[in-house]
Amino acid sequence: QQQVKQSPQSLIVQKGGISIINCAYENTAFDYFPWYQQFPGKGPALLIAIRPDVSEKKEGRFTISFNKSAKQFSLHIMDSQPGDSATYFCAARTYSGGSNYKLTFGKGTLLTVNP
Amino acid sequence: EAGVTQFPSHSVIEKGQTVTLRCDPISGHDNLYWYRRVMGKEIKFLLHFVKESKQDESGMPNNRFLAERTGGTYSTLKVQPAELEDSGVYFCASSQSGGPYEQYFGPGTRLTVT
Repeated sequence: QQQVKQSPQSLIVQKGGISIINCAYENTAFDYFPWYQQFPGKGPALLIAIRPDVSEKKEGRFTISFNKSAKQFSLHIMDSQPGDSATYFCAARTYSGGSNYKLTFGKGTLLTVNP
Repeated sequence: EAGVTQFPSHSVIEKGQTVTLRCDPISGHDNLYWYRRVMGKEIKFLLHFVKESKQDESGMPNNRFLAERTGGTYSTLKVQPAELEDSGVYFCASSQSGGPYEQYFGPGTRLTVT
């Protein structure tokens, strides 16, 4: 049972274009929704995150849109650059007591930005 | 400040053999997590240590997997005996204690079981 569904699996965008990656979830206990960026040979790194009481968060060219009622959130990369080519993972966090904050990830989206 | 390090970066073993993966968290991070990504699938939580104690091991696939964190510093994940379905990338992450701090991921160990 996949708790966070991510699409598309892969995405090719031209330089300067907009990249959009979508995620959907079912578990209403999720309290935090981060996006991770992973380059080949590296581990995932936090890119941007949002809490469910906010509908949008923007950091530079990266924006998260969050729709609580639809249980969906998306990452928009404006003015996409070849250096943005990476695998992107959406995630959702649950808190289960103590200091246990567990992340549930989507399957990832391989983004290729062509020059 | 050094990040999370993992060793080895890549391991190829035969079915039935034993492999031990190591993770060194960021110094001072009490929380240590293990995750695994099987090819094409999501990154899945395996378990969580707070210092040397296992807080949550609900994601461990079966009893062929054994994780330890002696002294609350580095952690090892042993797979014995390895099966073909154990192939994947094993990530370690660490975070500070006291709140929902960011988890910093290591580069992962790619395990291939043939």
